[in-house]
Amino acid sequence: DTAVSQTPKYLVTQMGNDKSIKCEQNLGHDTMYWYKQDSKKFLKIMFSYNNKELIINETVPNRFSPKSPDKAHLNLHINSLELGDSAVYFCASSQDRGGETDTQYFGPGTRLTVL
Amino acid sequence: AQSVSQHNHHVILSEAASLELGCNYSYGGTVNLFWYVQYPGQHLQLLLKYFSGDPLVKGIKGFEAEFIKSKFSFNLRKPSVQWSDTAEYFCAVKSAQGAQKLVFGQGTRLTINP
Repeated sequence: DTAVSQTPKYLVTQMGNDKSIKCEQNLGHDTMYWYKQDSKKFLKIMFSYNNKELIINETVPNRFSPKSPDKAHLNLHINSLELGDSAVYFCASSQDRGGETDTQYFGPGTRLTVL
Repeated sequence: AQSVSQHNHHVILSEAASLELGCNYSYGGTVNLFWYVQYPGQHLQLLLKYFSGDPLVKGIKGFEAEFIKSKFSFNLRKPSVQWSDTAEYFCAVKSAQGAQKLVFGQGTRLTINP
């Protein structure tokens, strides 16, 4: 059983293109997140949605737009891709009912390479 | 703002050696603390977590960590490492108040030589 899944696993594209990464969780969690891991392995939050509502929006270029059609899905659309967008993007989810339900569980990651 | 510092960038040990990876955080309020592991080419897996209670927490694969509030530290330990522990280890902190972002340290690469 895949708890948090992402597609695609690898994405290679040209500068200037628009691409989307999809994330789905089957854990019944209320909150989903997008994190970016750069080439030095540093992980940083990008966005968070709780029940389809945006609750965290870090300083991320407007070219990045998350969309949550329902609480089990959080997609990331990136317009006009740039070389610096090359990274591994991780989706995560948590139940967020207080206490240990706030633990975040991560998907397998999507390695985006912009040429 | 919250920040997390992992002191060791790359640690190299032989099998059966004892391990301690340092983690210090900066945050004024109540926090939840985590260690995640990333095996080569794989996703982040939760090793252990601290929310409240006993400051010595045990996780999977023989790992444990101790929360020392006065030192703002949450160091990871394992008494005897195995070659399969080779991975990247990330300490993370979040505010204890609801749905909050995880703030990660820069990671420690652990290499175990057989």
